[in-house]
Amino acid sequence: DAKTTQPPSMDCAEGRAANLPCNHSTISGNEYVYWYRQIHSQGPQYIIHGLKNNETNEMASLIITEDRKSSTLILPHATLRDTAVYYCIVRVRGYGGSQGNLIFGKGTKLSVKP
Amino acid sequence: NAGVTQTPKFRVLKTGQSMTLLCAQDMNHEYMYWYRQDPGMGLRLIHYSVGEGTTAKGEVPDGYNVSRLKKQNFLLGLESAAPSQTSVYFCASSFDWVTGTDTQYFGPGTRLTVL
Repeated sequence: DAKTTQPPSMDCAEGRAANLPCNHSTISGNEYVYWYRQIHSQGPQYIIHGLKNNETNEMASLIITEDRKSSTLILPHATLRDTAVYYCIVRVRGYGGSQGNLIFGKGTKLSVKP
Repeated sequence: NAGVTQTPKFRVLKTGQSMTLLCAQDMNHEYMYWYRQDPGMGLRLIHYSVGEGTTAKGEVPDGYNVSRLKKQNFLLGLESAAPSQTSVYFCASSFDWVTGTDTQYFGPGTRLTVL
């Protein structure tokens, strides 16, 4: 079973920030938080990952709480093309075995509206 | 760089037929994975490989076999297809020894229907 909990759906107005929450209360000290998204029926696309510090790249920002039990993915200026299912996953990084595998839940379906 | 490619993109089989799905990656990744995705569900891991010549079972391995004879290719076989194997199949690869990054990159998927 997935080790994360996400709301099933969210709406966001185009041009506004989209804030997608994720709970991972049982996260271990060596597990990272990863975010992927899946647009329509395409293959999942990597967005960002982090351990405990906040992270930012060209796609998004990741805010992890100090106790690491939850995180928020922020899309600063959502566009219609950001409409997708967003998956929050915790995993051990750099491990070539079952601990490092991605376990997908049902994710959050984000709908960006004009 | 083509990244991760999958062949074929679509396939329709009759119950009992066999087929092989091919995944190829040109990123020199060590690890490769096969997932299936059923409607309204997240991806589930079928089999994976941590190197050439090695394979391991994932969450839902029954009814599938895999082989990794070359580092860049990972084959998924269905020996006797069943309607329950109707799904979208995704391949992924990860881990580059040179950079140390292990982000998984996914292919575009193969849509399989078993009648």
